[in-house]
Amino acid sequence: EDQVTQSPEALRLQEGESSSLNCSYTVSGLRGLFWYRQDPGKGPEFLFTLYSAGEEKEKERLKATLTKKESFLHITAPKPEDSATYLCAVLIIQGAQKLVFGQGTRLTINP
Amino acid sequence: KAGVTQTPRYLIKTRGQQVTLSCSPISGHRSVSWYQQTPGQGLQFLFEYFSETQRNKGNFPGRFSGRQFSNSRSEMNVSTLELGDSALYLCASSLVADYEQYFGPGTRLTVT
Repeated sequence: EDQVTQSPEALRLQEGESSSLNCSYTVSGLRGLFWYRQDPGKGPEFLFTLYSAGEEKEKERLKATLTKKESFLHITAPKPEDSATYLCAVLIIQGAQKLVFGQGTRLTINP
Repeated sequence: KAGVTQTPRYLIKTRGQQVTLSCSPISGHRSVSWYQQTPGQGLQFLFEYFSETQRNKGNFPGRFSGRQFSNSRSEMNVSTLELGDSALYLCASSLVADYEQYFGPGTRLTVT
């Protein structure tokens, strides 16, 4: 069964304290891995797409990396506005595309 | 460029009623997917439409249905509402298959 697991479930950091979020997956027919940010009461906001092992993408204080079994979202010197739930999803193709989401990591950055 | 829009944003219904939610994708996007988000189950895939055809369906009962129009706008319908259908319903659009999906703000459905 296709499965995406994110860890930790919740993470509390001080402003400026760098860390990483993990997304591990066991799926067949992986076509891509996506990272989203979701603020309370809003829809997920697209951050990155990774398609192959070894690929890296960066945006401001965020960097996403991908291996054959997992992805990491590195947050460097975070600010309070980076507080949100970060969702990982894998795109699989079984006749048609489908996104399988992890449960998310709730990140809180304290000033 | 306008993003994905969903209407209504909030809805309160009674058990046994039915509801229709609407989604307008980003201009030029032909694929529309629907997801249900609850605190316990997270984001779960409902179905995906492309060029007015349902191409994929998640593990939800037949009370959940949808359709897509020729202008790529999509609707989903839930009949005989149950308390457990209370959730945030999200619509996402993408240019074509195998491409990143962009989400709308969601419709918050509360069933009483």
